[in-house]
Amino acid sequence: AQSVTQLDSQVPVFEEAPVELRCNYSSSVSVYLFWYVQYPNQGLQLLLKYLSGSTLVESINGFEAEFNKSQTSFHLRKPSVHISDTAEYFCAVTLSGNTPLVFGKGTRLSVIA
Amino acid sequence: EAEVAQSPRYKITEKSQAVAFWCDPISGHATLYWYRQILGQGPELLVQFQDESVVDDSQLPKDRFSAERLKGVDSTLKIQPAELGDSAMYLCASSLDQGPNNEQFFGPGTRLTVL
Repeated sequence: AQSVTQLDSQVPVFEEAPVELRCNYSSSVSVYLFWYVQYPNQGLQLLLKYLSGSTLVESINGFEAEFNKSQTSFHLRKPSVHISDTAEYFCAVTLSGNTPLVFGKGTRLSVIA
Repeated sequence: EAEVAQSPRYKITEKSQAVAFWCDPISGHATLYWYRQILGQGPELLVQFQDESVVDDSQLPKDRFSAERLKGVDSTLKIQPAELGDSAMYLCASSLDQGPNNEQFFGPGTRLTVL
């Protein structure tokens, strides 16, 4: 079965600094990978996803993630964070077909002014 | 903008009581999911519906939890009796169809506290 490890439970970072949120997965077959964001007292929103093709995927608000098959990673990065990026970020994986999403435990990003 | 609706947003109950949560997916979405998110954890799938049929309920504690989607539209998740360990956020999500190509849209969740 697939699993997801988010290595950092909390990441504090100053405003306008770069950030990387780490995600590693384990699976013996091809996977689809996702990053979701959860703001306080809200549901999850899809940030970006890797299904196939280019290994670098981008979101509309400046985040990007790179699928690295050899390192089984899908780290999320942003070159310059804003206060509004403060939220919980979840990495998730699913296999091809109709298998459920498996989420990591989440990383709480706190942007400090 | 279409959204997944859930009610109530917050529920406090005593252990051994029955509770029910309601979810109204985005119109036209055939696939509906119920997740449980324990504080400090990621969401875990409880049950998945395709129209009115259950596709996956392998992680649903069937001795106390039940879920239905009778007309293939809205859905209800019930817990009877509630236990202290059931305190969590219950999230509903919907997608046009099954599979990773179909984005799951999440509702705001119901936060359950069992005393």
